[in-house]
Amino acid sequence: GGIITQTPKFLIGQEGQKLTLKCQQNFNHDTMYWYRQDSGKGLRLIYYSITENDLQKGDLSEGYDASREKKSSFSLTVTSAQKNEMAVFLCASSHWGGFYEQYFGPGTRLTVL
Amino acid sequence: DAKTTQPDSMESTEGETVHLPCSHATISGNEYIYWYRQVPLQGPEYVTHGLQQNTTNSMAFLAIASDRKSSTLILPHVSLRDAAVYHCILRGNQGGSAKLIFGEGTKLTVSS
Repeated sequence: GGIITQTPKFLIGQEGQKLTLKCQQNFNHDTMYWYRQDSGKGLRLIYYSITENDLQKGDLSEGYDASREKKSSFSLTVTSAQKNEMAVFLCASSHWGGFYEQYFGPGTRLTVL
Repeated sequence: DAKTTQPDSMESTEGETVHLPCSHATISGNEYIYWYRQVPLQGPEYVTHGLQQNTTNSMAFLAIASDRKSSTLILPHVSLRDAAVYHCILRGNQGGSAKLIFGEGTKLTVSS
């Protein structure tokens, strides 16, 4: 078994602020993902990384940067927080390939004042 | 990417067997059918997946139509812990198809 840890659990920011979210996994998975979930909605892919040093844009990459520092960690940066923004950011990991399931972390809940 | 269609909600009673339908009429040959579930304040939890054959594990049975245009997740003897939003997702196996495309899913309510 393994676990995905996301920090922080809750993040409160100011409009225009640059905010960084972190994700660690100990599954030894190749691939990591960042999704955004708005209240009552499905997930939208922001960035993913097939392997260390790789970075791929998802459907919602504008306004975000990502960094795969090493195999076990993947960071997401909100480059300029939008006023009244509220969302949950979910990190996931998997082996590479569509036949491998993704495992998700508990999420970081962002509120922008 | 192909889309899925699910009912918004379903209700059940503890001990019942629940059938959650999913329509995916435009599924392509290399797309897997994945099911995840999510409860409030937690990330999605993997339930099961399949390509063409029916599959079963400790959580559920996945029945896939022979033409692959629909599937049904079958939850035997549901308990209160099975109350969640269930997402039916298609996922490719090549290049940029790594992503899971979540819709709004089916909210399953289980009463005692």
